[in-house]
Amino acid sequence: GENVEQHPSTLSVQEGDSAVIKCTYSDSASNYFPWYKQELGKRPQLIIDIRSNVGEKKDQRIAVTLNKTAKHFSLHITETQPEDSAVYFCAASKLAGTALIFGKGTTLSVSS
Amino acid sequence: DARVTQTPRHKVTEMGQEVTMRCQPILGHNTVFWYRQTMMQGLELLAYFRNRAPLDDSGMPKDRFSAEMPDATLATLKIQPSEPRDSAVYFCASGVQNTIYFGEGSWLTVV
Repeated sequence: GENVEQHPSTLSVQEGDSAVIKCTYSDSASNYFPWYKQELGKRPQLIIDIRSNVGEKKDQRIAVTLNKTAKHFSLHITETQPEDSAVYFCAASKLAGTALIFGKGTTLSVSS
Repeated sequence: DARVTQTPRHKVTEMGQEVTMRCQPILGHNTVFWYRQTMMQGLELLAYFRNRAPLDDSGMPKDRFSAEMPDATLATLKIQPSEPRDSAVYFCASGVQNTIYFGEGSWLTVV
């Protein structure tokens, strides 16, 4: 089955800096890669996703890149703000409809 | 704003008791998932259903856990008997294709 590794487990940055979180996956058949943000005590919420037919996707200050050959994908947050502080999860699945398998999460702290 | 609804939101129970968690997926979503979240293991897939049929429950301890979908508007996760190691947040999620939306979670404490 699919296995998703996520690094780092914690990340501290200053407000305005960039943050990068990286994930690797094991199943070469996986072709859907979403990122979820979870604030303390809340539910995970989808912030951006990418499918294997594209290499990069941007939405304002966040972007995701995908390298299918190396089986890794990354989340990039630019101009970080204190409200970006949360736990971020990457996930992978096949578009045919298998369940999302999640990485262990990255706790991002943005200090002002 | 359609949401996945879970009950109970919080539950404290004694070891050995039965616990039932319920989930109402978003109307029109044909896939329902149960995940368990702990600090150590993160988000673990327990079971999921498509069109009410169970597709995978390999992540679920079969001796004490069971998951069902009696109709399209209700999914249940039952633990019997409960143990302290079952203490976690249990999330239900629903979706179409691969985009899934989580409920607020059921926070379970077994003492």
